[in-house]
Amino acid sequence: DARVTQTPRDKVTEMGQEVTMRCQPILGHNTVFWYRQTMMQGLELLAYFRNRAPLDDSGMPKDRFSAEMPDATLATLKIQPSEPRDSAVYFCASGLDGGSDQPQHFGDGTRLSIL
Amino acid sequence: GENVEQHPSTLSVQEGDSAVIKCTYSDSASNYFPWYKQELGKRPQLIIDIRSNVGEKKDQRIAVTLNKTAKHFSLHITETQPEDSAVYFCAASKGYSTLTFGKGTMLLVSP
Repeated sequence: DARVTQTPRDKVTEMGQEVTMRCQPILGHNTVFWYRQTMMQGLELLAYFRNRAPLDDSGMPKDRFSAEMPDATLATLKIQPSEPRDSAVYFCASGLDGGSDQPQHFGDGTRLSIL
Repeated sequence: GENVEQHPSTLSVQEGDSAVIKCTYSDSASNYFPWYKQELGKRPQLIIDIRSNVGEKKDQRIAVTLNKTAKHFSLHITETQPEDSAVYFCAASKGYSTLTFGKGTMLLVSP
C-alpha cells in the first residue's frame, strides 16, 4: 500500500528557529499539496505543485514560509523564522493530475510546536 | 473562489443508528466531491468520492448523494459502529483546481 511519507513526525523548537518539513510523495504522483491544520481554521492549503512547478502558494505567508520540490521524490516546506502561531499539524498530500477528479492521499503529518 | 459549508459540526448517535452529514458548495462548476475520515491524531483518509455525472454512490455502509441543482452533497453512514467515530471532511474541486474543504464534522458513536 503506497503512502506519502513525511518527516519529522513531531518537531518542537523555539521561536526564531528555522523549521524544515519534508515529504516524499507516492511514486508516480505528479501533484503535491501542503496543508496546515488547526482547530480554528481547519485544513488550509498552503502550496500546490504540479510536475514540480509551484502553481498556487497564495495561502502561504511569503515572508517566512517557502516551499520547494528539489526533485520528483521530495517536497520541502520551510519556516524561517518560526513563530508560536505557526504551531499546527502540517500535512503533505499527493495525487495524479490526470483530470479533474483525482483523489489526494495524505501523509501522517508533522506536528509542529513553536515555543 | 469555492466555498464549502459543512454541517453539523458535531453529531452524536447510538451504535446502529444512521448518520448524515451535509455539505453545500458555491461554485456550480465544481465536479469532484471527496469525503475524508480523520481519526484523532491520524491523517485524513479518503473514504468515498463522487463525480458530478453521478447522483449517488455506495460502498458497503457508506453512501454519498449529490444534488447538482441545489449544490449540495451528503454522506450517509448506516449501522454506525464505535469505530466510525472520527472527524469527517467534505471537499469540492473543479478542473485542475485544488480541493476546498469543509470545516469538518465530529461524529461520536456511542455503544
